[in-house]
Amino acid sequence: GESVGLHLPTLSVQEGDNSIINCAYSNSASDYFIWYKQESGKGPQFIIDIRSNMDKRQGQRVTVLLNKTVKHLSLQIAATQPGDSAVYFCAENSGGSNYKLTFGKGTLLTVNP
Amino acid sequence: DGGITQSPKYLFRKEGQNVTLSCEQNLNHDAMYWYRQDPGQGLRLIYYSQIVNDFQKGDIAEGYSVSREKKESFPLTVTSAQKNPTAFYLCASRTGAQPQHFGDGTRLSIL
Repeated sequence: GESVGLHLPTLSVQEGDNSIINCAYSNSASDYFIWYKQESGKGPQFIIDIRSNMDKRQGQRVTVLLNKTVKHLSLQIAATQPGDSAVYFCAENSGGSNYKLTFGKGTLLTVNP
Repeated sequence: DGGITQSPKYLFRKEGQNVTLSCEQNLNHDAMYWYRQDPGQGLRLIYYSQIVNDFQKGDIAEGYSVSREKKESFPLTVTSAQKNPTAFYLCASRTGAQPQHFGDGTRLSIL
């Protein structure tokens, strides 16, 4: 079936390092992808999104890369800070104009001071 | 400030009891969604609504019901038919081609 998954369930980095969180998706028809950050006990917070007609998009300290050939999505966080510690989810739009999102299981990012 | 409000933050259900989780948004968003999150897992879609008085089942709708009588409100009822209701429930809303925005969730437990 269609799914969105993550290669690494946990990632530990030192403060100031760059972080890369990866995501694989299987629905080649997906046209929109989102990264969310979720802190403990809270709802997911939007970080950055990308549409399938792009292969890279940059935000503040974050970059999303999309490789449609291998159905791979990554989130790069520059100069990782302790406040970046959270679970990160990728999600794909599998529902066309309904924007029904399919979420991966998440990666726990821990930033060591 | 505009946002999505979920209440209560914590909820306890007795055996055989229906409980209703509230989700209110003042963002004037057309679409609203309910997700279930289990520990260490991603979000799974329960129900969604694109417009008032219309809603569709998501991937795990069994044991749940919703209504959408007002644009700003999308309550979720967890019925006694849902045999494993313990989870973190998240409501989201969206407009146009924008990403979904989430509330801070309701944690439901069984007494």
